[in-house]
Amino acid sequence: AQSVAQPEDQVNVAEGNPLTVKCTYSVSGNPYLFWYVQYPNRGLQFLLKYITGDNLVKGSYGFEAEFNKSQTSFHLKKPSALVSDSALYFCAVRDPRVMTTDSWGKFQFGAGTQVVVTP
Amino acid sequence: DVKVTQSSRYLVKRTGEKVFLECVQDMDHENMFWYRQDPGLGLRLIYFSYDVKMKEKGDIPEGYSVSREKKERFSLILESASTNQTSMYLCASRPNRGETQYFGPGTRLLVL
Repeated sequence: AQSVAQPEDQVNVAEGNPLTVKCTYSVSGNPYLFWYVQYPNRGLQFLLKYITGDNLVKGSYGFEAEFNKSQTSFHLKKPSALVSDSALYFCAVRDPRVMTTDSWGKFQFGAGTQVVVTP
Repeated sequence: DVKVTQSSRYLVKRTGEKVFLECVQDMDHENMFWYRQDPGLGLRLIYFSYDVKMKEKGDIPEGYSVSREKKERFSLILESASTNQTSMYLCASRPNRGETQYFGPGTRLLVL
């Protein structure tokens, strides 16, 4: 079974400081990994994904994430946080081998991490 | 531009009522999903559909049903709403040849 853990319910950071949101996963094979962001009263917006290739993935709004297979982690990072980055962040994993049809796989989402960036 | 819309942003219903939540996507995606989002629990998959008239149970299907009569529309039905179904409901879609799910804005349902 696949699972994903976000160990921090909330991350507080001052504007201009580096931001890290942690995610660890558990799947049997090589995972597909995703980060989404949710602003208040909105749906989830896609930030970035790792499917294969370079372990460092760059995404929207200056975010990046590093896939670490040995530590089964996919931490989200931003070098310099903005107040507007305050939101709820979700990590998601999918085992591409878990398929019921030709191109299907279920996503498993973490519980979410609330990021608060203070001016 | 990718677009997933949900029929209501906020909904208030009474216990025992039948509730319909509608989701429409304009991207010709084969796969559609219904999740519920609760604090501390993240997103949990209720049902998904990989084709018209096809449906599969997710992790928490009890108390829900779905309908997909057209490719672009995926409906979530609460046959007899209960207070423990008060939640944020999110619809998403994904193409077969793609990895990313696209989400609607969500419907916040309150069952009294």
